[in-house]
Amino acid sequence: EAQVTQNPRYLITVTGKKLTVTCSQNMNHEYMSWYRQDPGLGLRQIYYSMNVEVTDKGDVPEGYKVSRKEKRNFPLILESPSPNQTSLYFCATGTSARSYEQYFGPGTRLTVT
Amino acid sequence: GENVEQHPSTLSVQEGDSAVIKCTYSDSASNYFPWYKQELGKRPQLIIDIRSNVGEKKDQRIAVTLNKTAKHFSLHITETQPEDSAVYFCAASLFGSGNTPLVFGKGTRLSVIA
Repeated sequence: EAQVTQNPRYLITVTGKKLTVTCSQNMNHEYMSWYRQDPGLGLRQIYYSMNVEVTDKGDVPEGYKVSRKEKRNFPLILESPSPNQTSLYFCATGTSARSYEQYFGPGTRLTVT
Repeated sequence: GENVEQHPSTLSVQEGDSAVIKCTYSDSASNYFPWYKQELGKRPQLIIDIRSNVGEKKDQRIAVTLNKTAKHFSLHITETQPEDSAVYFCAASLFGSGNTPLVFGKGTRLSVIA
């Protein structure tokens, strides 16, 4: 079954404690991306990757890191989380081979206290 | 960079009526305009998209129109049903050489009243 998975789905943490949210896809998609969703602000892109070892900043990259060492995984790293990073995070994947559709993961709800 | 404005932020319609959501974009180079639907507690899912070489696209009860000159595009839902209630997001991007990020509007919460 084609899918995008994220882990963890829910996380409550404290300010400054490094964390990683994983994203994995089994669709062999080149394109992967991270978004955060906040009430009234819609979906804002954090980072994206066009392929392995290629990453670029989105609209709100401050406080986040990513890596793309293999095609299927695109982890989001918060080195020193702060309360303003409390949000709902979505990973998305896509390919331009047939269409530009992006497939979203189930989301990770992060709370930083 | 690209900026996408979406209106209205909330929309209530009676079941069976039509709903229209409008978006404007700033980057004239953008060539791909998708619409995503997000039901409560779920992930966004693509419902329809349009590329800049097409002015209109229809899929059953939903249609999207694009005016490249005015830099705006719209989602039209006819014969609305309660299951159409959701948040709808428009987006814009340039795909092809020099791909740019997909920039989303802030969303429209559509409520269909039975």
